[in-house]
Amino acid sequence: EAGVVQSPRYKIIEKKQPVAFWCNPISGHNTLYWYRQNLGQGPELLIRYENEEAVDDSQLPKDRFSAERLKGVDSTLKIQPAELGDSAVYLCASSFKGVEETQYFGPGTRLLVL
Amino acid sequence: SQQGEEDPQALSIQEGENATMNCSYKTSINNLQWYRQNSGRGLVHLILIRSNEREKHSGRLRVTLDTSKKSSSLLITASRAADTASYFCATRMTTDSWGKLQFGAGTQVVVTP
Repeated sequence: EAGVVQSPRYKIIEKKQPVAFWCNPISGHNTLYWYRQNLGQGPELLIRYENEEAVDDSQLPKDRFSAERLKGVDSTLKIQPAELGDSAVYLCASSFKGVEETQYFGPGTRLLVL
Repeated sequence: SQQGEEDPQALSIQEGENATMNCSYKTSINNLQWYRQNSGRGLVHLILIRSNEREKHSGRLRVTLDTSKKSSSLLITASRAADTASYFCATRMTTDSWGKLQFGAGTQVVVTP
């Protein structure tokens, strides 16, 4: 079974540039999560989707971050414009409703904003 | 803010030794989970313990939960070099109806051959 796929794995951009991350969850998983992980910290939830609906986006900085999950499968997280403080690893995870909330994580996208 | 706090922040042991790390949390939980993260990789689920359970085993892993103290411990027995990773506890609070997990800052474990 294929795991959660994320791309790109690494991204280096200059501040004020836009950037987008893509995630393909495990087939059949209806819940998708985007996390941000700063160096030396645990992941912090940015947004959570149930199918195509964003059910928890309270931690998403909406002035510059946006996300979408078209057709309830793949998802894209965008930052525009990026700031220096956005440098982090962006993790995507998915889970299947009805199973005890085990989340399956992708390898993450490591973003460096210069 | 993060719900869980792991202790110690870092742990260095030799192969064959046991590694113990602790997690404390602040509010009532439905369950507590432990994840492992190898350098440059995503998190991997290790074990889940429910709020009405006190101890759980999985292979070389042993997890305990003390809800009165709001704390959990993860024990890795007979450690191997491949156990080198960061370990995170994550809690699902009772106030959350949809599987939201709150992660601690993690314990970085180094196992030397």
